[in-house]
Amino acid sequence: EAGVVQSPRYKIIEKKQPVAFWCNPISGHNTLYWYRQNLGQGPELLIRYENEEAVDDSQLPKDRFSAERLKGVDSTLKIQPAELGDSAVYLCASSLSPRGYQGELFFGEGSRLTVL
Amino acid sequence: AQSVTQPDIHITVSEGASLELRCNYSYGATPYLFWYVQSPGQGLQLLLKYFSGDTLVQGIKGFEAEFKRSQSSFNLRKPSVHWSDAAEYFCAVGQAGNMLTFGGGTRLMVKP
Repeated sequence: EAGVVQSPRYKIIEKKQPVAFWCNPISGHNTLYWYRQNLGQGPELLIRYENEEAVDDSQLPKDRFSAERLKGVDSTLKIQPAELGDSAVYLCASSLSPRGYQGELFFGEGSRLTVL
Repeated sequence: AQSVTQPDIHITVSEGASLELRCNYSYGATPYLFWYVQSPGQGLQLLLKYFSGDTLVQGIKGFEAEFKRSQSSFNLRKPSVHWSDAAEYFCAVGQAGNMLTFGGGTRLMVKP
């Protein structure tokens, strides 16, 4: 069974440019998460979807970040315009159990963004 | 608000030696606790989790962790470390809706 797939793996852009990351969760997983991991730190939640609904986006910088999960499957995270401080690894995860903790979060390999 | 502290940023052990990685949490209710491992350039993989019951939990790759409520700790242990265990380890505490709060991580290096 395929795991969580993310693309691109690496992206280098200049500041003020837009960038988008794509995530395909594990088939059947209704909950999808976007985390940001700064260098030398643990991941921090940006947004959580249950199916197509964003149920927690309190940590998403809405002035420049946006996300969507059309049809409750794939998801895209966009940054426009990017700033130097956005350099990080963007991790996507999915799980089968949105309410309890019996479900494990499965993470993709991440998209590493470098803003010059 | 919940938080997780991993006091050791870097740990170096010799291959074959025992390992203990520390994790302290702050959470108002009964916590759900996790340990994840991240190899270079890879995503996070779940090693083990604690929800309730037996406070000593077994995980994959020979790891175990013990939940100690009185100390607000969930330390990860392995009796004999292998070179392939070199990675970054993250402790996390869960809250409603499966949202995890991660610690800052501990980078493990293994000497031959």
